[in-house]
Amino acid sequence: AQSVTQLDSHVSVSEGTPVLLRCNYSSSYSPSLFWYVQHPNKGLQLLLKYTSAATLVKGINGFEAEFKKSETSFHLTKPSAHMSDAAEYFCVVSAWMDSSYKLIFGSGTRLLVRP
Amino acid sequence: DTGVSQDPRHKITKRGQNVTFRCDPISEHNRLYWYRQTLGQGPEFLTYFQNEAQLEKSRLLSDRFSAERPKGSFSTLEIQRTEQGDSAMYLCASSLVGSSTDTQYFGPGTRLTVL
Repeated sequence: AQSVTQLDSHVSVSEGTPVLLRCNYSSSYSPSLFWYVQHPNKGLQLLLKYTSAATLVKGINGFEAEFKKSETSFHLTKPSAHMSDAAEYFCVVSAWMDSSYKLIFGSGTRLLVRP
Repeated sequence: DTGVSQDPRHKITKRGQNVTFRCDPISEHNRLYWYRQTLGQGPEFLTYFQNEAQLEKSRLLSDRFSAERPKGSFSTLEIQRTEQGDSAMYLCASSLVGSSTDTQYFGPGTRLTVL
């Protein structure tokens, strides 16, 4: 069965410092993986997606993630945090189940950015 | 492309009342999904449509819940005899079948509070 585990429920960084949000996945085949961001009172926005092409995936707003099969990880990084990055981040695996792709969400990581 | 829209954005109701939410997907998208997100959790799949056909319903979708997509465009989600446990954010997403990953794009959600 496919699943994702987000290793930190909260991450706090100072503005201008690097961001690392950790995600491990479980999948019986090569998965499609996503990171979505959710700002307060707003919908989920797709940050980036991995679909078995390049293992380093670049997304919007300076975020990127690296797919590491040996570690079953898909961590999200950004070199320098901005105040506007404060939000909830979800790691997601797409699982083919019952003739359609299902999105399986992690429990989320809340990113706090200190001035 | 105006994105996925949902109406209303917020709904407060008393226990036992019926409520209906609407979702308008991205115009060329033929798949439409409903999710429920409770506080501190990632979204959970409820049901999805391909065109006007409802192809799958989660075990989370009790008999009090019904969803329709009569013309294969907008969709409605109705909850009858609401309970306090129904309080959650209800998210709609749409996608285009045929893409390798079936990437889903989310609306802003409808936040339901049952008193």
